[in-house]
Amino acid sequence: DAGVIQSPRHEVTEMGQEVTLRCKPISGHNSLFWYRQTMMRGLELLIYFNNNVPIDDSGMPEDRFSAKMPNASFSTLKIQPSEPRDSAVYFCASSRTGGDEKLFFGSGTQLSVL
Amino acid sequence: QKEVEQNSGPLSVPEGAIASLNCTYSDRVSQSFFWYRQYSGKSPELIMSIYSNGDKEDGRFTAQLNKASQYVSLLIRDSQPSDSATYLCAVRPGGAGSYQLTFGKGTKLSVIP
Repeated sequence: DAGVIQSPRHEVTEMGQEVTLRCKPISGHNSLFWYRQTMMRGLELLIYFNNNVPIDDSGMPEDRFSAKMPNASFSTLKIQPSEPRDSAVYFCASSRTGGDEKLFFGSGTQLSVL
Repeated sequence: QKEVEQNSGPLSVPEGAIASLNCTYSDRVSQSFFWYRQYSGKSPELIMSIYSNGDKEDGRFTAQLNKASQYVSLLIRDSQPSDSATYLCAVRPGGAGSYQLTFGKGTKLSVIP
């Protein structure tokens, strides 16, 4: 059973460029989360989808960030324009439900904005 | 502001010893508590969950919860070098917003052979 699949694993880009991160959740999971991890702030929830619908995007830092989930097997997180302070590891995670079900994390995307 | 606090470490223990990891949380309505292990360069993985006051044991791991003191801990018995990782405490409220996991910044554990 494949886990949560994220791509790319590493992304290096220049300030001002558009960055798109991709995620395929585990089949049958109806909850999807995007997290960002930095040394300073730890793991922060950016956005939560349930049944492909964004339920809580209060963690999205600003309008430069957007996320979509067009179907149950695919989600994207886009940053446009990117800034050096966006450099972090971005994790996608899924669970069967949004409650106390176990959260399964993807391997993450290491983003470096120069 | 809901906060989860952990000592960042590093916590160093000799192989075979007991490692004790601690976590405090600010939100009194928190209902569910989790410990995740994260190896360097890897993603977090769930190792323990606890919902009621007291102890919960799973192999070499014991989670302890004291809701009155807003305190949760993880004990690792017979520590092994393979236990060297960062341990993240996570807390979830009950009811509305129960999907929202708040993570601590983690405690780095080093088990010395």
